[in-house]
Amino acid sequence: GEDVEQSLFLSVREGDSSVINCTYTDSSSTYLYWYKQEPGAGLQLLTYIFSNMDMKQDQRLTVLLNKKDKHLSLRIADTQTGDSAIYFCAESSDRGSTLGRLYFGRGTQLTVWP
Amino acid sequence: EPEVTQTPSHQVTQMGQEVILRCVPISNHLYFYWYRQILGQKVEFLVSFYNNEISEKSEIFDDQFSVERPDGSNFTLKIRSTKLEDSAMYFCASSEALQPQHFGDGTRLSIL
Repeated sequence: GEDVEQSLFLSVREGDSSVINCTYTDSSSTYLYWYKQEPGAGLQLLTYIFSNMDMKQDQRLTVLLNKKDKHLSLRIADTQTGDSAIYFCAESSDRGSTLGRLYFGRGTQLTVWP
Repeated sequence: EPEVTQTPSHQVTQMGQEVILRCVPISNHLYFYWYRQILGQKVEFLVSFYNNEISEKSEIFDDQFSVERPDGSNFTLKIRSTKLEDSAMYFCASSEALQPQHFGDGTRLSIL
């Protein structure tokens, strides 16, 4: 089946950039997502990228997609303590049998030190 | 901003009992989903629902589970004869088209 992998932990200092990486195996992935989960909260959609794009920027967030290597990254510029959370990478495809289903990574716990 | 709401936030149930988890999707959304996350594991897809019927279900979603859209606003997940291993966080999601999916805050289900 489809597999999405992320490193489990990342620590950065406030003001630095954070880069969270993700790899996936499904070559027919159509959409790739980043969700944020704060303690006790649900999955907040941060951003997503369509597979025919290689970059998307949204304020402090930059998503890079290397479709050849099946590698997705999320860069957070000027990381703040409020960015501390778990970040989930997810992918979906529009292939017939798994239409719309999301496959998630385990999540990367981002800790931002003041 | 419109959001997906789930109730209750925490449900404690005796093993063998039935539970119903409730979700109110975003009002103009047409596709509805349930996912679960067992502690320490990945978020897993359970089922998707469109046009008043199941459009896809995972291998986890067996006869113990059912979904329903009883009226124009609610989307429910029923789990019959609950087992200890059903303890998890259950997330509801909805989307206007197939993507992107917007998630609720989840219901933590604890089976004793």
